[in-house]
This record gives sequence, structure tokens and C-alpha cells, in this order.
Amino acid sequence: QSVLTQPPSASGAPGQRVTISCFGSNSNIGTNNVNWYQQLPGTAPKLLIYSNNQRPSGVPDRFSGSKSGTSASLAISGLQSDDEADYYCAARDDSLSGVVFGGGTKLTVL
Amino acid sequence: QLQLQESGPGLVKPSETLSLTCTVSGGSISGTIHYWGWIRQPPGKGLEWIGHLHYTGSTYYNSSLKSRVTISVDTSKNQFSLKVTSVTAADTAVYYCARRGGSGGSRYFDYWGQGTLVTVSS
Repeated sequence: QSVLTQPPSASGAPGQRVTISCFGSNSNIGTNNVNWYQQLPGTAPKLLIYSNNQRPSGVPDRFSGSKSGTSASLAISGLQSDDEADYYCAARDDSLSGVVFGGGTKLTVL
Repeated sequence: QLQLQESGPGLVKPSETLSLTCTVSGGSISGTIHYWGWIRQPPGKGLEWIGHLHYTGSTYYNSSLKSRVTISVDTSKNQFSLKVTSVTAADTAVYYCARRGGSGGSRYFDYWGQGTLVTVSS
């Protein structure tokens, strides 16, 4: 049972927009920044979004992040087959004094 | 370009100690504000933060693993290490080392190693 809650799966057709949610609490998302990681099959995770809505250099602007209260969302527009991956949210948790991850969402491009 | 590479035994017997090293190239572990950490992923499951440290020695551990985990740094070799004692099958996972970059209240794992699979089995 992960501290941050994500839907186990999401899907969309090429070109569509999909949103992945991440639910937490006051001790994590409610007080700290949220980061998102993309893990392509068989590879290490890659930083996708940091500080709620910032994209590292090289990440297309099709990927965007937002946060409101104790939840966060990752949106992917113009869905491409290469976007098929597992997506994880993460944040610092002040009660646990550490980093917590969501359980991950497997994105399928139909 | 910063690169991280994990190394260590791929097979560990139950009750023994798992030891991994992360070698950092393209940048220095010391003299920076960044932290260096370990994350693991059991086969077919999600990511679990193990802990991270600063080159000055400050360490932070997952409370569920704290009694069995030690993360240390060797600045002369530009490496940091992970030890997990009394391992069981539940410790079987791909272990990643990563840099915890950013600053202040905005920290994130921005550089990752490729990961190494450690299997606990007799």
C-alpha cells in the first residue's frame, strides 16, 4: 500500500490527452512539491516533471503537471506510442521524514 | 554529463548482507548541495525509496528499512554505497542509485543509474 495513491492503469488513443492523478495527504503533497517520473519498459526511471509543474530540459511540452491541495496530476497531450510507460508521482513526506512514491500508473496507448 | 553506475553481487543468500556501490562520473560527489540516494523496485512492482545522504555525512533512511540499512560515501573514489543486513526474499529487487538534485524545498532524483538486479536466494 503506497502512501501516494495512483490509478494502476490509464489509456488513450494516439493524439488524445490523458491525465494521471496522484492523491496524498497534508504531510506530503499538501506541504511539499510533487515530482513525476517516467519509466519506459526495461529502463531506469527518468525525471519528467519536478516541483509540481516544471519540465527538465529535453522533456516535451506535451507533458505538464499541476497540484491542488493534497492531489497532483500529470497530463499528457498529443499521445504517442512512445509514451507507453509506467508513471510515478513522488513527494517528501514530513511525517515519515522521507520520500514517498505512488504505486505507479501503467499507460497504454491504444 | 553526470553518470551513475551500480555494481555488486547479483545473488545474496538469505540472512546475509547485500552490498552495492554506486560510482559517479562526470561530476563530483563532494562540494555540492546535492544528495545521493538509493531506490529499489521489486520485480513487477513499484519504486521504494531506501535512503539518501550528503557527502558531509548526513543520512536519511526509509523508516521501514532503517534498522537494516546503511548508506555511506567514499569521496576519494567518488562513490557511495548501500548495505542491507539480514536480507530475505522480500529484498529481491532492482536497485537504483540516483542523485537527489535541486535545492531547498525543491528536490528530486534527476540522474539515475541503470539499475542492478539483486536476487536473494540460497
